[in-house]
Amino acid sequence: LAKTTQPISMDSYEGQEVNITCSHNNIATNDYITWYQQFPSQGPRFIIQGYKTKVTNEVASLFIPADRKSSTLSLPRVSLSDTAVYYCLVAPDQTGANNLFFGTGTRLTVIP
Amino acid sequence: DGGITQSPKYLFRKEGQNVTLSCEQNLNHDAMYWYRQDPGQGLRLIYYSQIVNDFQKGDIAEGYSVSREKKESFPLTVTSAQKNPTAFYLCASSPRAAGENIQYFGAGTRLSVL
Repeated sequence: LAKTTQPISMDSYEGQEVNITCSHNNIATNDYITWYQQFPSQGPRFIIQGYKTKVTNEVASLFIPADRKSSTLSLPRVSLSDTAVYYCLVAPDQTGANNLFFGTGTRLTVIP
Repeated sequence: DGGITQSPKYLFRKEGQNVTLSCEQNLNHDAMYWYRQDPGQGLRLIYYSQIVNDFQKGDIAEGYSVSREKKESFPLTVTSAQKNPTAFYLCASSPRAAGENIQYFGAGTRLSVL
């Protein structure tokens, strides 16, 4: 079971780069790493997904070291609207979804 | 306008009553999921379905039931056996059941007990 561990909370000032690290020591060979963002009373929203090395899209970057036992979500120049909970999800193999584990996520607070 | 629609937004349950939460998607996704979220907590998987007429229990299926008669629909019934149903319920869908799938979530249903 590829459970994940993230910091419970982080604070950052507007305009700074924020890095949130997720540990997943038991990641399997065919697991992908996916990050979601959730605002209060809303469903989570997909941010970025990767398998290894670095992935970048218009909102974030995802860094994954060679051993894949951790990953880091990088948000460049955060704004107040980035205040949310961020979840790291490591998907199990394709034979079943009954052990999808979102964890408690990291609550990011952006300060003016 | 594609996406996942959950209804109602708010729902109240009386003691001993069964209630059904609706989830509809027009994304043509094969897999659908139901999660429960308690205040300040992460998402816990209740049930999931990879294909029509098939579904599997998640971590906390007791007191809940589902059906998948159509690809677009995956309703969740909270039965009277669920003694602590107050929570935020989220439905999601994805192109495949697991692996590199990306899940798309609805806006959620907040269930409270009267």
